[in-house]
Amino acid sequence: AQSVTQLDSQVPVFEEAPVELRCNYSSSVSVYLFWYVQYPNQGLQLLLKYLSGSTLVKGINGFEAEFNKSQTSFHLRKPSVHISDTAEYFCAVSDLKAAGNKLTFGGGTRVLVKP
Amino acid sequence: DVKVTQSSRYLVKRTGEKVFLECVQDMDHENMFWYRQDPGLGLRLIYFSYDVKMKEKGDIPEGYSVSREKKERFSLILESASTNQTSMYLCASPSNGGETQYFGPGTRLLVL
Repeated sequence: AQSVTQLDSQVPVFEEAPVELRCNYSSSVSVYLFWYVQYPNQGLQLLLKYLSGSTLVKGINGFEAEFNKSQTSFHLRKPSVHISDTAEYFCAVSDLKAAGNKLTFGGGTRVLVKP
Repeated sequence: DVKVTQSSRYLVKRTGEKVFLECVQDMDHENMFWYRQDPGLGLRLIYFSYDVKMKEKGDIPEGYSVSREKKERFSLILESASTNQTSMYLCASPSNGGETQYFGPGTRLLVL
């Protein structure tokens, strides 16, 4: 079964500093990869996704992620964060060989941006 | 716009009650999912359905059942609610190729 590990449960970061959120998954065979953001008291919002092609994926709000098949990683980065980026971020993997296109989520990383 | 709707945003129930959470999608998707979200645990899959009347257990099915009598509707049932089922419940419906996942707004359930 697929598993997803987000290595940091919390990441404090100063405004305008870069941030990297790490995500590793267990199987690289035929997967789709996603990053979602959840702002306080709101639903999940898709930041970006990797389906195929270029391993560097750009998303909304200045975020990008790089798919590394050999390391089974999909780390999320932003070069300069804003206070409004304070949220919880979830990495998710869809194993295309599993029934139903189900997503397996990591435990989430809380990002707290400090002024 | 694809919409995934959930019947309630907030619910308060008592221990032992039978609880129904309903999810409806309007895009003729084959697959539908129920997740629960808890702090530090992310989203965990309870059950999913890949067709009418078809269902499969997810990672944490104990204490839950599901029903899919029509393609657009997927219900999660707590036969006898317990306090450890207090959580946020999210319904999802991916596009048929799995490229896009659509989530409902969530139901926050409190079991007293």
